[in-house]
Amino acid sequence: GQNIDQPTEMTATEGAIVQINCTYQTSGFNGLFWYQQHAGEAPTFLSYNVLDGLEEKGRFSSFLSRSKGYSYLLLKELQMKDSASYLCAVRDGGGFKTIFGAGTRLFVKA
Amino acid sequence: SQTIHQWPATLVQPVGSPLSLECTVEGTSNPNLYWYRQAAGRGLQLLFYSIGIDQISSEVPQNLSASRPQDRQFILSSKKLLLSDSGFYLCAWSGRATGYSRNTEAFFGQGTRLTVV
Repeated sequence: GQNIDQPTEMTATEGAIVQINCTYQTSGFNGLFWYQQHAGEAPTFLSYNVLDGLEEKGRFSSFLSRSKGYSYLLLKELQMKDSASYLCAVRDGGGFKTIFGAGTRLFVKA
Repeated sequence: SQTIHQWPATLVQPVGSPLSLECTVEGTSNPNLYWYRQAAGRGLQLLFYSIGIDQISSEVPQNLSASRPQDRQFILSSKKLLLSDSGFYLCAWSGRATGYSRNTEAFFGQGTRLTVV
């Protein structure tokens, strides 16, 4: 079966660093994505990993370990506007289907 | 540049009524197209995906159907809505993966919030 797990909720303080973990078991693997979704809006793309290692993009970084079926999204210098849901998604081996996790709701407090 | 249009933004329909949600993509050709549904506070459930005209794959059994009459048009339909069909419906497109490192993220429409009453 296909399964993507991530924590339901996390809370962090403005200016701090937070790490959101994601583990997956899918039928093949053709890339892992992280999306941000504010309440009532569509998801927007944050990052993509297909090879092991860390990808850095400004305040956001994403890490992938394919052998462990594991990824994390690292958010630095948290801002109040970072309060949102963060969705981990995996594209399967066929390259057509992207399966999403349930998302992690991040609350940033002052 | 590529854009994706999805309408309507909100819809309230009675149980048993039909449904038609439309999605069109501009600025790209031969995209992969997707319909997702998101229940309140939940992740995205893949409903249908399409790799070409009249090529539709269904992911979950349901009373919904999808059609792709043109390359950049994707339609989600139902003949008779159920209460459980309520949710946030999202259309998305992605490019074709060519090569192992091709980044083919999904671009989402603004979504349709459907309430079945």
